[in-house]
Amino acid sequence: AQRVTQPEKLLSVFKGAPVELKCNYSYSGSPELFWYVQYSRQRLQLLLRHISRESIKGFTADLNKGETSFHLKKPFAQEEDSAMYYCALSGATSGTYKYIFGTGTRLKVLA
Amino acid sequence: GAGVSQSPRYKVAKRGQDVALRCDPISGHVSLFWYQQALGQGPEFLTYFQNEAQLDKSGLPSDRFFAERPEGSVSTLKIQRTQQEDSAVYLCASSLASGVAYNEQFFGPGTRLTVL
Repeated sequence: AQRVTQPEKLLSVFKGAPVELKCNYSYSGSPELFWYVQYSRQRLQLLLRHISRESIKGFTADLNKGETSFHLKKPFAQEEDSAMYYCALSGATSGTYKYIFGTGTRLKVLA
Repeated sequence: GAGVSQSPRYKVAKRGQDVALRCDPISGHVSLFWYQQALGQGPEFLTYFQNEAQLDKSGLPSDRFFAERPEGSVSTLKIQRTQQEDSAVYLCASSLASGVAYNEQFFGPGTRLTVL
């Protein structure tokens, strides 16, 4: 079964602390992995994707195929990072490349 | 346009009413997706269009749900005889191309449907 699991509904960290949002997936084949972010009262927007291998707003994510994980990390959290984060995968299922999302993790960065 | 737009932003319907939700994708985007997001959940796939062709409707929960994109641009999601379990945010997303997994999908603001 194709599935994305985000085990934490809520993650609270203090400003300046490291943050790691967990994402595990189940997929037969080679998926592409994404992190989307939704700030308060804004729409879902792409934060980063595996294929780009870039760092956005200080966030990075490494695809670990052995552990089927794509955890999102940032060494020093900022208050403006407070948002809802969704991990998603896409693949050639039925040729549509639809996204399969996790249930999301709300990140709260405390002052 | 500046991005994907959806209308209405909020819709309240009485149980049994029909509703129509509209999506205006980014101009030139070939692919269009509809997702349903229940409270506290991630978005779940409903249906997919490549231009005007509906290539995947495997996520539509019942035959009360119907979607169209007749000219390959604007899309409408219609829900007939709404039920309380249809209450959710309906998201539309578009992407420039089709047939590649790494394509970024651009999301609209969503339509929040409440069925009383």
